[in-house]
Amino acid sequence: RKEVEQDPGPFNVPEGATVAFNCTYSNSASQSFFWYRQDCRKEPKLLMSVYSSGNEDGRFTAQLNRASQYISLLIRDSKLSDSATYLCVVSGYSTLTFGKGTMLLVSP
Amino acid sequence: DAGVIQSPRHEVTEMGQEVTLRCKPISGHDYLFWYRQTMMRGLELLIYFNNNVPIDDSGMPEDRFSAKMPNASFSTLKIQPSEPRDSAVYFCASSPIAGGPNEQYFGPGTRLTVT
Repeated sequence: RKEVEQDPGPFNVPEGATVAFNCTYSNSASQSFFWYRQDCRKEPKLLMSVYSSGNEDGRFTAQLNRASQYISLLIRDSKLSDSATYLCVVSGYSTLTFGKGTMLLVSP
Repeated sequence: DAGVIQSPRHEVTEMGQEVTLRCKPISGHDYLFWYRQTMMRGLELLIYFNNNVPIDDSGMPEDRFSAKMPNASFSTLKIQPSEPRDSAVYFCASSPIAGGPNEQYFGPGTRLTVT
């Protein structure tokens, strides 16, 4: 089983749509969880951390289910600028393990 | 702050040649990471340093790869000899003390092509 698994997509959605991504991880001892965003031919950048209680940042909502070992990201009211690859990231004590990412394409 | 700086941004070389990638982390960041990204394998951690000391190099593919961090503001990743399968984007990232190694700031990457 891969350490961090994501559906590669692409997810094709129209502007204004709501889209959700899920991610599963294999190491139950993982301590921290994140979503990173990577634009085409650019470096990954931190989008948001994921907390057990769930957290929201504007149109973005992240949730963690430790019992089932999955993480989710919900994007509401999609914008063209949301088109990117979203990387699910799991942290142990000192390093990050990245999923391969889910590609999102938002069309007019 | 200028962010993490990497050079060169693009490198095209022939199989068998030595390749050296360079990284300048964000000032004050104690952790430095080298990653490789390919379509097939995604983003893989190669090695990371804490206070210039290599902590974990288990991700380094083989002896052809080596990394150094002679001071807090500079690190190199060397491939000798290079092979076509080394073609990838190599990212350097750094992380501050306060956040531990978790929140990482990536450089723009070096796109390496080995022919």
